[in-house]
Amino acid sequence: EAQVTQNPRYLITVTGKKLTVTCSQNMNHEYMSWYRQDPGLGLRQIYYSMNVEVTDKGDVPEGYKVSRKEKRNFPLILESPSPNQTSLYFCASSSARGRVYGYTFGSGTRLTVV
Amino acid sequence: AQTVTQSQPEMSVQEAETVTLSCTYDTSESDYYLFWYKQPPSRQMILVIRQEAYKQQNATENRFSVNFQKAAKSFSLKISDSQLGDAAMYFCAYLMNRDDKIIFGKGTRLHILP
Repeated sequence: EAQVTQNPRYLITVTGKKLTVTCSQNMNHEYMSWYRQDPGLGLRQIYYSMNVEVTDKGDVPEGYKVSRKEKRNFPLILESPSPNQTSLYFCASSSARGRVYGYTFGSGTRLTVV
Repeated sequence: AQTVTQSQPEMSVQEAETVTLSCTYDTSESDYYLFWYKQPPSRQMILVIRQEAYKQQNATENRFSVNFQKAAKSFSLKISDSQLGDAAMYFCAYLMNRDDKIIFGKGTRLHILP
């Protein structure tokens, strides 16, 4: 089944403790992206990647890192999480040509930083 | 900068009735795509419908249809014969063809009243 897999689905952590949210897609998509969703703000893009070893900042990149060493994986790294990063996170992917047909989204990761 | 505005944070509709969700966007581009995504309580992001800006004909998908007014930069979603399973957050989204980032509105939460 074609899908984007995010892990974990839920995560509670403490301020300052480094964490990684994994994202993997099995559709050979070139394009991958991370969004955060906050009430009243919709989805805002954190980082995106057009292909392996190519990443770029979105609208709210502060406090986050990403890497794209393999085409299928695009992990989101929080080096020193803070409470304002408590949010619902989504990974999404599309083919280079297929983005005009919309993204495929993962199931989301609910992150709480205390 | 491109923006997407959903002016109705919440709406309610009686089961089996018709409801229209509003979306306006701001762009100077002529080549772009518009989307409606549904996010049910499971929080999965599901593509409902899409529209190419160069097509005058309004897109339809079963009970879902859009009213695309390019000059007015309006892209409303009509849901006919509303069902309990339509209860969700709905996001309007915009993609410029020469860009790689989908921009989302802040969402409209739709309640279906039995």
